[in-house]
Amino acid sequence: KQEVTQIPAALSVPEGENLVLNCSFTDSAIYNLQWFRQDPGKGLTSLLLIQSSQREQTSGRLNASLDKSSGRSTLYIAASQPGDSATYLCACIQGGSEKLVFGKGTKLTVNP
Amino acid sequence: DTAVSQTPKYLVTQMGNDKSIKCEQNLGHDTMYWYKQDSKKFLKIMFSYNNKELIINETVPNRFSPKSPDKAHLNLHINSLELGDSAVYFCASSQDLRGTPFFGQGTRLTVV
Repeated sequence: KQEVTQIPAALSVPEGENLVLNCSFTDSAIYNLQWFRQDPGKGLTSLLLIQSSQREQTSGRLNASLDKSSGRSTLYIAASQPGDSATYLCACIQGGSEKLVFGKGTKLTVNP
Repeated sequence: DTAVSQTPKYLVTQMGNDKSIKCEQNLGHDTMYWYKQDSKKFLKIMFSYNNKELIINETVPNRFSPKSPDKAHLNLHINSLELGDSAVYFCASSQDLRGTPFFGQGTRLTVV
């Protein structure tokens, strides 16, 4: 059974800092891995999707990497801004499954 | 606007009542989902439907019954509500079974 863990549970940084959010998964046979953002009282918004054959994906100041063999993914946020404050969730689809399994998220606060 | 919309946004009800949450998507997607986010913010899939056919039913009590009258709608009916049903319920849709899900804003259900 796939389990997704995100560390740390919460992170507070000053504006402008580069930061890394971590995600690990127990079964490396994944179909894809996705990063989402959730603002308070809102639904989730997809940020980046990495297929199992890919190593990384980039969108603006965001870069997500995937290392299937070690069961890890990271989300790198460059030059953080207060508007980046949100909860970031990692999720993956197991190979042979259609079920998206989520981590518990990292709550990021970027202080002005 | 193209989106996933669910109603109501807030629902407060007494134990033992029956309630429904409605969801509609106008994205032309084939797959729709219900997710539950508990008080610890852990997001877990409950059901998925593809072209009105039930695909995933994740060990959810029989009191929960999804209904998909057409591809664009997936409603959730809950019988005999219990205190433990209090959570935020998210509807989502994706182009296909493994596509990136687009989430609604959530329905905060409080059972008193």
